[in-house]
Amino acid sequence: GDSVTQMEGPVTLSEEAFLTINCTYTATGYPSLFWYVQYPGEGLQLLLKATKADDKGSNKGFEATYRKETTSFHLEKGSVQVSDSAVYFCALNRDDKIIFGKGTRLHILP
Amino acid sequence: DTGVSQDPRHKITKRGQNVTFRCDPISEHNRLYWYRQTLGQGPEFLTYFQNEAQLEKSRLLSDRFSAERPKGSFSTLEIQRTEQGDSAMYLCASSPTGAGNTIYFGEGSWLTVV
Repeated sequence: GDSVTQMEGPVTLSEEAFLTINCTYTATGYPSLFWYVQYPGEGLQLLLKATKADDKGSNKGFEATYRKETTSFHLEKGSVQVSDSAVYFCALNRDDKIIFGKGTRLHILP
Repeated sequence: DTGVSQDPRHKITKRGQNVTFRCDPISEHNRLYWYRQTLGQGPEFLTYFQNEAQLEKSRLLSDRFSAERPKGSFSTLEIQRTEQGDSAMYLCASSPTGAGNTIYFGEGSWLTVV
């Protein structure tokens, strides 16, 4: 079945460092792809999405590009802040349901 | 702008008791979802509704779990005879009808079974 695999955490970076969180997917066809973020004690918030190959989703300085060739949707940010500390989930939409990866915890040190 | 709201946010219950969670979706969203999330894991799909019709249930949804959306607006998720393994965060989400539409999540209801 469809699935999402993302890099295990935790990922610890210093403020202003460059961030990459890898995500690959297995699916038939071309699902929509998402990144959700979960801050401590809260529910999930949509961070960005891409609905077709080569689309780039972006929000709050984060970007991810839908790569059909490599079945990937890696999350990047050029300069992280302490406030970006959270758990990040890569996900795909299949049959109108969201299938999530296990999440990657990100710690940003001041 | 009112998002998805869930109640209660936290619930501690004794093993064997019944609990019920309520979800109010974003108005005019036809679809409503329930997910379960345990510590260190991603959310897992439980069930979803199109208006008042329950269209799909996961194998995770045992006989002790029941979800309803009687008027196609709010939904309830009831867990009967709770077990310690039911301790998790129960997330509700909603979306408009249509392939690829974004699903919006509530803040979740934490359940602790002691």
